[in-house]
Amino acid sequence: QVQVVESGGGVVQPGGSLTLSCEVSGYIFSDHGMHWVRQAPGKGLQWVAFIHRDGTTSNYADSVRGRFFISRDNSKNKLFLQLNSLRLDDTAVYYCVPNMDNWGQGALVTVFS
Amino acid sequence: SYDLTQPSSVSVSPGQTARITCSGDLLSSKYVRWFQQKPGQSPTLILYNDNERPSWIPERFSGSSSGTTVTLTISGAQVEDEADYYCYSAADNTLGIFGGGTKLTVL
Repeated sequence: QVQVVESGGGVVQPGGSLTLSCEVSGYIFSDHGMHWVRQAPGKGLQWVAFIHRDGTTSNYADSVRGRFFISRDNSKNKLFLQLNSLRLDDTAVYYCVPNMDNWGQGALVTVFS
Repeated sequence: SYDLTQPSSVSVSPGQTARITCSGDLLSSKYVRWFQQKPGQSPTLILYNDNERPSWIPERFSGSSSGTTVTLTISGAQVEDEADYYCYSAADNTLGIFGGGTKLTVL
């Protein structure tokens, strides 16, 4: 059974930085592309970023490009999202979604002044 | 940029058929996934490749595609199907996009 566990969420001031981590088990991590998706309070799902299974290719939503950076460590079955220059509207639950299949419980990021 | 358009809400009585559409130019050449999200829960995958169903998803959930519109059909909707439903697709397989979501009410 696939398990997805996000961590690293928290409260940060505007302009600050945070790094989210995601650990996946029960899954051949290196075989699959990985996504980050976020959901602002009371809002819909927003795709944030993708990274290819070998880490060579990534892509970002326009709203985060240049501020967020996705990476992975296949030796540790881990995915990361570095969030920089955070804004109030980045407040959301961030989900790590392997192959856009399985979802964890998410990590809450609150940008608060 | 691409957009996927869903109705904001759909309402049916128990046992009726619910249909939720997802429209966008991207869909003429790309597959759609559908996710169900119940209040307070994470989303779950219910359909992929427009109409394929994971083994644990009930048969009453089905999908179809025509041109630039993909439809999620719930045949004989049940009260437990009340949830938000999101369609998803990806341009160039690396640039994802979600529809705005549809709130399904079954009562």
